[in-house]
Order: sequence, then structure tokens, then C-alpha cells
Amino acid sequence: AQSVSQHNHHVILSEAASLELGCNYSYGGTVNLFWYVQYPGQHLQLLLKYFSGDPLVKGIKGFEAEFIKSKFSFNLRKPSVQWSDTAEYFCAVNAEKNDMRFGAGTRLTVKP
Amino acid sequence: SAVISQKPSRDICQRGTSLTIQCQVDSQVTMMFWYRQQPGQSLTLIATANQGSEATYESGFVIDKFPISRPNLTFSTLTVSNMSPEDSSIYLCSVDGAVNEQFFGPGTRLTVL
Repeated sequence: AQSVSQHNHHVILSEAASLELGCNYSYGGTVNLFWYVQYPGQHLQLLLKYFSGDPLVKGIKGFEAEFIKSKFSFNLRKPSVQWSDTAEYFCAVNAEKNDMRFGAGTRLTVKP
Repeated sequence: SAVISQKPSRDICQRGTSLTIQCQVDSQVTMMFWYRQQPGQSLTLIATANQGSEATYESGFVIDKFPISRPNLTFSTLTVSNMSPEDSSIYLCSVDGAVNEQFFGPGTRLTVL
């Protein structure tokens, strides 16, 4: 079965700083890749997804992620974070239909 | 995307009792999933529920502890049986989307004393 690794447990940034959250997965075949966000007190929401085509995908709220197949990575980026981006971010991989695996999550704290 | 509701949103239960969590979707879906999110941890899949068949459980989860019902295409329940403090967690249901993504309900926060 596939596994997902998120390198950073907790990231603290100041507003306007750039963000990159790492995500690596282990699976040799075709994968669908996702980033989910969980704002404080709210439920999980899909931020962006990749399943084919352009490896650079854009999501909501200015987030983007790049799929690098050779590195088995799907890092999340945002050029300038805002205080409202404070949340928990989860990378997920779905290699076989309906077998989604989540990373441990990265807590992002943005200081105003 | 689907709109998913869960009841109850939170509960505090005594050791040894059972709690049934309901998940309602606003559209018919084939697959429904139940996850557990323990404090400070990621999501762990408990089981997958198809309408009209037995749920498929992941390693480490058994039907006697987490019985699941799926009576129709818009509804499912998860029961946490004979609870202990280790069962304190957030329980989430989700449904599959068009391209293998999943949409999540708001979760049920369970505290077992």
C-alpha cells in the first residue's frame, strides 16, 4: 500500500512570507494527489488535486502544488501567506480507487 | 461537491457504552468512508461502506467494535461499541467524488471518560 510523508510537523511564518510544505509518497504506479486543509474548528476541505496533465496545479486561495514524478513529491506552495492561512494541511494520495492515504499533517501558524 | 452532515457533532460518553454516529449526504453516492482522527494525528481509514453490502474494514478495525450500516445511497451510521478512553477521537465520514477525491463531513468529536 502507498504511504505519504509530510516533512514538517509545524511551520511558523510571518505574514507575506513564502510557503512550501513538503509531501512525498511511496508508490510506483499512477497516483492521484491531493492537498486538504482544515481551518481551526472547521472540517476538511479540498485545497487542490492532481490526477493528470500539467504537473503544476492551482487551487483555491492562491495555493499551488507541483507534482514531480521522479521525486515522488507533491509540494504545496504559496508565494505570500496570510494570517487566515493558519490551518492544518494534509497531503493525500489515492493510488487505487477509494484507497486514500493521508500524511501526518503540517500545522501552519501565520503570525500577523 | 457533496454536502455532508454528521450527528452528533460532539458527545461525551462513559466507558463501556456505545455511540452511533450518523452521516447524511445530500446526493446519492456509491462509496462512503469512515475515518478516525485521533488528537494531533492524521486521518486513519476505519472502513469503506457500500450500499447493500458489508463494510470493508481496514487492518486494526473490526466489525464488532465499529459496526457500520449503509441502508441507502445517502446515509450511513458508524457505531463505536464498548467505548474506552482510547476511542476519544474525531470521527469523520466522507464520500467519493468524480475524480477519486473525497468530500468530508464536519466530524463528530467523541470524548470517552
